[in-house]
Amino acid sequence: AQSVTQLGSHVSVSEGALVLLRCNYSSSVPPYLFWYVQYPNQGLQLLLKYTSAATLVKGINGFEAEFKKSETSFHLTKPSAHMSDAAEYFCAVSASGTSYDKVIFGPGTSLSVIP
Amino acid sequence: EAGVVQSPRYKIIEKKQPVAFWCNPISGHNTLYWYRQNLGQGPELLIRYENEEAVDDSQLPKDRFSAERLKGVDSTLKIQPAELGDSAVYLCASSLGLAGYQETQYFGPGTRLLVL
Repeated sequence: AQSVTQLGSHVSVSEGALVLLRCNYSSSVPPYLFWYVQYPNQGLQLLLKYTSAATLVKGINGFEAEFKKSETSFHLTKPSAHMSDAAEYFCAVSASGTSYDKVIFGPGTSLSVIP
Repeated sequence: EAGVVQSPRYKIIEKKQPVAFWCNPISGHNTLYWYRQNLGQGPELLIRYENEEAVDDSQLPKDRFSAERLKGVDSTLKIQPAELGDSAVYLCASSLGLAGYQETQYFGPGTRLLVL
């Protein structure tokens, strides 16, 4: 079975500062990992995903995440926050090799960007 | 290209009443998902369709929830009767259906349900 924890339900950063959103996962098999973003009153949109290729994954809007197996982590970063980055961010995990295993979403981290 | 379309966007009903949500996925997407998102939480899968077939409905409370995807395109999720605890956002998503759960899912804007 898989699970996801996201440390910090709310994160505030200043505009131009580094964004770091934490995600740790638990999986009994090699995982697929995702970061989705949800803007107010909108559906979720994929930022990036890890599917066992390069451990450093680059996504849209300048975000990237690094898969660290030893730490069971998949933290999301962006060098310089923009006001438009304010949103809810969800980390998710699914199990590779078992195509009918579902995607498990974390509880989300709300990112605020202070001008 | 149109995204995933859901209607209605908002629904307020009294408990014990029925309610239905409709979803039209992205054209060409064979897989359709229904999720429930409670306030302050991530989405939880209710049911997944591969074309017309429900291949994962283990999380669907079958005593009051039902879903259908008759022609393998659009889908309806129904609750009858609704309970106070059903208040949530109901999200529909779709994907190509070629690579299981490693695929990118495309989400609609959701239907926000309030049960009074």
